[in-house]
Amino acid sequence: AQSVAQPEDQVNVAEGNPLTVKCTYSVSGNPYLFWYVQYPNRGLQFLLKYITGDNLVKGSYGFEAEFNKSQTSFHLKKPSALVSDSALYFCAVRADNYGQNFVFGPGTRLSVLP
Amino acid sequence: AAGVIQSPRHLIKEKRETATLKCYPIPRHDTVYWYQQGPGQDPQFLISFYEKMQSDKGSIPDRFSAQQFSDYHSELNMSSLELGDSALYFCASSPRLAGAQDTQYFGPGTRLTVL
Repeated sequence: AQSVAQPEDQVNVAEGNPLTVKCTYSVSGNPYLFWYVQYPNRGLQFLLKYITGDNLVKGSYGFEAEFNKSQTSFHLKKPSALVSDSALYFCAVRADNYGQNFVFGPGTRLSVLP
Repeated sequence: AAGVIQSPRHLIKEKRETATLKCYPIPRHDTVYWYQQGPGQDPQFLISFYEKMQSDKGSIPDRFSAQQFSDYHSELNMSSLELGDSALYFCASSPRLAGAQDTQYFGPGTRLTVL
């Protein structure tokens, strides 16, 4: 079975400080990992994904994520947070032997304080 | 760039009524996915279609059905609505099936409220 954990329901960070949103996963095959962001009453917007290759993936809006196979983690990071980054962040996983649908984590609400 | 279109954006129904949600994928995307997101929950996969055929099935109730049409748009039909069906329903599309690497692009969602 595939599963995703986001251990923090809420992350608070001051504007200009670095932010990290944590994600760990469990899959039986090769993992494909995705980050999506959801603003209030909006759909999910794709940020970045890890397929293969370089463990550090760069995405939209200055976000990046680091794939760590030994720790089965895919933490989302940004060097300098903006107030406009405040939103709900979902980590999602698919495995190459599983199917086409995503398994999402429970989400982490990021609040960037001015 | 064109995005996934969902209609209606908001829908209010009474218990035991039926509802139809529509999804128009990004042009040249032939795979459509439906997800249900309850209040404070993560999206849960319902069903997907590729080239008008069901490709995968998740936690979709028997009261729900869906199909994909020749123009690749999809409709989610929901009957005998229950209060617990109140949720945000997302449609996503991707350019091809069987590509676990492929990104799914989500629509804005339809918020269904069952009274």
